[in-house]
Amino acid sequence: DQQVKQNSPSLSVQEGRISILNCDYTNSMFDYFLWYKKYPAEGPTFLISISSIKDKNEDGRFTVFLNKSAKHLSLHIVPSQPGDSAVYFCAASAGLYNNNDMRFGAGTRLTVKP
Amino acid sequence: NAGVTQTPKFQVLKTGQSMTLQCAQDMNHNSMYWYRQDPGMGLRLIYYSASEGTTDKGEVPNGYNVSRLNKREFSLRLESAAPSQTSVYFCASSTRTGYSNQPQHFGDGTRLSIL
Repeated sequence: DQQVKQNSPSLSVQEGRISILNCDYTNSMFDYFLWYKKYPAEGPTFLISISSIKDKNEDGRFTVFLNKSAKHLSLHIVPSQPGDSAVYFCAASAGLYNNNDMRFGAGTRLTVKP
Repeated sequence: NAGVTQTPKFQVLKTGQSMTLQCAQDMNHNSMYWYRQDPGMGLRLIYYSASEGTTDKGEVPNGYNVSRLNKREFSLRLESAAPSQTSVYFCASSTRTGYSNQPQHFGDGTRLSIL
């Protein structure tokens, strides 16, 4: 059972515009969420995270929004740059002290066109 | 600054063969993890090691064994490879196990094909 779902396998945006990547989860016990970014032939790298006590966390061009009632989170990239082209994974864990059972979505491939 | 190093990067095995995937980290992290990534699915945890000398099962441990050789190294062994184990394997490490706010650092993966 996929408890974390990224329903859009791919997304294409123009350079300078906003990229919005979405993630839905089913387990109401999840309370810590992370986004990882992955380039081809490399491992995932941590991008940004959010705790369930917040509904927004911002780091430069990257902002993550959490809607707990809808069990939905999104990653906004503004402005998008060609170097942002990568696969983005959403991950969730139940409990700040339980990242041993982190569940990952299948990923969304973002392409930013010059 | 190497981070997490996995060897080999690619491997082809025949069904029934055995193999050990190696992982080493140079960040003095206590915790290490093995994941597999299959098409259309997210990363799934196979085994993890909270600290030197301890290992625990993750979500999909069947068919695998692990060894935490020392603080730096964590190996994954397939005793009798099966086609269902064809996947990309990622090793990761983090400062402390169980703390989600201390993200994991990943290696570049091992692409394993079993014929």
